[in-house]
Order: sequence, then C-alpha cells, then structure tokens
Amino acid sequence: QSALTQPASVSGSPGQSITISCTGTSSDVGGYNYVSWYQQHPGKAPKLMIYDVSNRPSGVSDRFSGSKSGNTASLTISGLQAEDEADYYCSSYTSSSTRVFGGGTKLTVL
Amino acid sequence: QVQLVESGGGVVQPGRSLRLSCAASGFTFSSYAMHWVRQAPGKGLEWVAVISYDGSHKYYGDSVKGRFTISRDNSKNTLYLQMNSLRPEDTAVYYCARESYGAEFFDLWGRGTLVTVSS
Repeated sequence: QSALTQPASVSGSPGQSITISCTGTSSDVGGYNYVSWYQQHPGKAPKLMIYDVSNRPSGVSDRFSGSKSGNTASLTISGLQAEDEADYYCSSYTSSSTRVFGGGTKLTVL
Repeated sequence: QVQLVESGGGVVQPGRSLRLSCAASGFTFSSYAMHWVRQAPGKGLEWVAVISYDGSHKYYGDSVKGRFTISRDNSKNTLYLQMNSLRPEDTAVYYCARESYGAEFFDLWGRGTLVTVSS
C-alpha cells in the first residue's frame, strides 16, 4: 500500500492555472475510475473537490477539474484565487478493496 | 444537521489501548460504509480502515493491521476504532469519514480527534 505520488508543492499567480499530478499503479489509479481529490486548509477537515476522476460535487467551483491518463490522475485549477491556497490530496480505490492517498501537494498562490 | 463528531482522543503511553468513537447524525447511518483516516502532525492523510454499511466487511491499512479494529453500532449511529499496542508513530488526528452511497469517495468528514502516543 504505497502512497500515491504527488509533487510536494506547486505555485501560481492569481488568474493563472496550475495542475497537480497523482501517480499510482494499475492496481489503483490506473485500474479504476475512482480517483478523488480533497482540499484541506490548515486546521480544517478535508473537503471533497473532485470524485470519480472528473466529477465535481455541487457547490464546488467549475474552476476545478480532473482527468486521468493511464496511472496518473491530474487536478487542474484555473483562474487561481487566493482562497485556493491549501493542501490538496488525491485518493484512489485499490484492488485490495482498500483506499490510498497521495502524499499531498501544498498550493501557494503568489 | 448532517455531521460526524469524533471523540475519545487523548494522550496514551506506548503499548496501551484507546477506543475512538464517531457519532453520526442527520443521515441514515446504517446505509453507509464508513472509514477512519488519520493525519500525523505536519504530515499527509493516511487511510486507516473501512467498514461496510452492515459491518460484514472490514479492511485495514498495512500500518495498523492486526492492532486496530474498526466496528460500528448501527442502533447507536456510532462508528468505533479500537486501537491496541499503540506506537509513537500512531500519533495523529483521526478523522471519521462517510463513503458516498454506492461510490468510492469520502463525502462527509468529521473534525477529527487527536491521539498522542507518548511516555
């Protein structure tokens, strides 16, 4: 059960777009369309941003989008805003019926 | 109000046991699979365990397998995590999370309870 691989940090200026990658294996990310993304502000519980690779829950801005190619999923945030500054985690269902998270990516809005 | 409220955290010595609880309200608890997820101080999220809606299926992360037990009491709308043989590396905020109905993502989270394993 190795953690999914995410970049430790990404940054962008307001209005720009950024993409966070999440790399797993064929036993998790590549094997199922069950990748989800969570936003976490300091001291707060995680918040669901994307589910099933590319679906947005109601109430989440359409500036957030998700995709997947092979064993790598991606979260793209367009039109960066100051409030987007947070930690982001990907998660996937696995072939063992367990779940696995990525190591997390700290997004800095410059 | 739809919510999850964890309790039972605290300071415990290595090798000892602790039981966490997660009280659910505002939804039909017995219809949902439930998870525990933890986060060590300054670190990322780590999935701990899942239990099916009726308690018949349970799965654990490698780091807690054989030491932790997830359970639920649907009559009390409560999820539990029995933690035995605690280690300093188990120090973390423990969150309970609801698995979206028929899906594989977490759509509701509690605020977490802090467990500190230290002598």
